[in-house]
Amino acid sequence: DIVLTQAPLSVSVTPGESASISCRSSKSLLSSKGITSLYWYLQRPGKSPQLLIYQMSNLASGVPDRFSSSGSETDFALKISKVETEDVGVYYCGHRLEYPYTFGAGTKLELK
Amino acid sequence: QVQLQQSGTELVKPASSVKISCKASGYTFTSNYMHWIRQQPGNGLEWIGWIYPGNGNTKYNQKFDGKATLTADKSSSTAYMQVSSLTSEDSAVYFCGRGGYFDYWGQGVMVTVSS
Repeated sequence: DIVLTQAPLSVSVTPGESASISCRSSKSLLSSKGITSLYWYLQRPGKSPQLLIYQMSNLASGVPDRFSSSGSETDFALKISKVETEDVGVYYCGHRLEYPYTFGAGTKLELK
Repeated sequence: QVQLQQSGTELVKPASSVKISCKASGYTFTSNYMHWIRQQPGNGLEWIGWIYPGNGNTKYNQKFDGKATLTADKSSSTAYMQVSSLTSEDSAVYFCGRGGYFDYWGQGVMVTVSS
């Protein structure tokens, strides 16, 4: 199975500042179709996860452009600029390259 | 708008089975994969498998093969997951999620396995 390793496990950010979360894959997530199969989700406290980013760098519908993502074939980063109260929660990366689909362990974002 | 409405909280006994539902609305149910994801208490997300309601095809995470069974009822636009031979390890929140991106999620069903 592909292992996705997130860092840090938790991050504390001052509102208005930026935050960055890393996700490292045990295998290249670049598919034969040239698509990088890396996704980011946010799970707010007590809620279901929501899609933030698909195919490494594409913003999902309705997601503010304060969120951005980039990376290579195995190393990825989610950046949140000007962190707001609503950004609090656990961020997960996940892949769809092959079965089984797997997720990282999550990064908890809190406010200072 | 797209909605996935899941059934309610379940308290079930060890060795029994539970069947939970995910009713879809706001899109063409038969044209989108439906995935199921497990979240054990305090833990991350595990992909269980998918069903394609259009033809009933399924794909399971090997870990859940024989544990989970996915079905779908086209007439009511509802996907189901049955989890069998329950143990305390199966106590978790179970989510349904639409399509290859999991762009919409149900609200989750908490299943507690206890005698």
